Amino acid sequence: GAGVSQSPSNKVTEKGKDVELRCDPISGHTALYWYRQSLGQGLEFLIYFQGNSAPDKSGLPSDRFSAERTGGSVSTLTIQRTQQEDSAVYLCASSLINQPQHFGDGTRLSIL
Amino acid sequence: QKEVEQNSGPLSVPEGAIASLNCTYSDRGSQSFFWYRQYSGKSPELIMFIYSNGDKEDGRFTAQLNKASQYVSLLIRDSQPSDSATYLCAVNIGLSGSARQLTFGSGTQLTVLP
Repeated sequence: GAGVSQSPSNKVTEKGKDVELRCDPISGHTALYWYRQSLGQGLEFLIYFQGNSAPDKSGLPSDRFSAERTGGSVSTLTIQRTQQEDSAVYLCASSLINQPQHFGDGTRLSIL
Repeated sequence: QKEVEQNSGPLSVPEGAIASLNCTYSDRGSQSFFWYRQYSGKSPELIMFIYSNGDKEDGRFTAQLNKASQYVSLLIRDSQPSDSATYLCAVNIGLSGSARQLTFGSGTQLTVLP
């Protein structure tokens, strides 16, 4: 597709379960970013991938959060032992080097 | 002090008027500045970016950057009801603009009244 694709669009799960969120960036974009947006809040940076370099994980809120990017393309954000405060919209963005970021439609995560 | 600050609004303007949205940032080394528009329940959409001091115009939108004052603004001319949304200011915070992730303000909610 032409844009950043994220799946699932909505996810409802019970507290304590693990979840995986997927992001398929724009073709050719070497940079990939994950952000989180809580209700009524701005976006909070989580993690950044650039090519084959080590990812910048400085925004991950706890060790329950991890992400990987396979083959320089698709990325998966994993949240283990989910907590209610993890409820948010998780947004993925991609870009060319030093170019503006373009966002996917996000995954709305609800922890019961 | 937040790294990127915006007035949360809500800001209301009549249709056809100029809407002025403001943003200040804390890191003098920041070099890249972006405005995103976010409709309720939707993802952010890039509308403007600016790297150099001065004005940058694109259609009804003008971005203004003043690095000495650490201030960036967005003007929307001939505002339309379809411009009603939350506008997010985003900055590459970091030494000499080295950071690649964006730091976002909390957004300004704009309502254009018909």
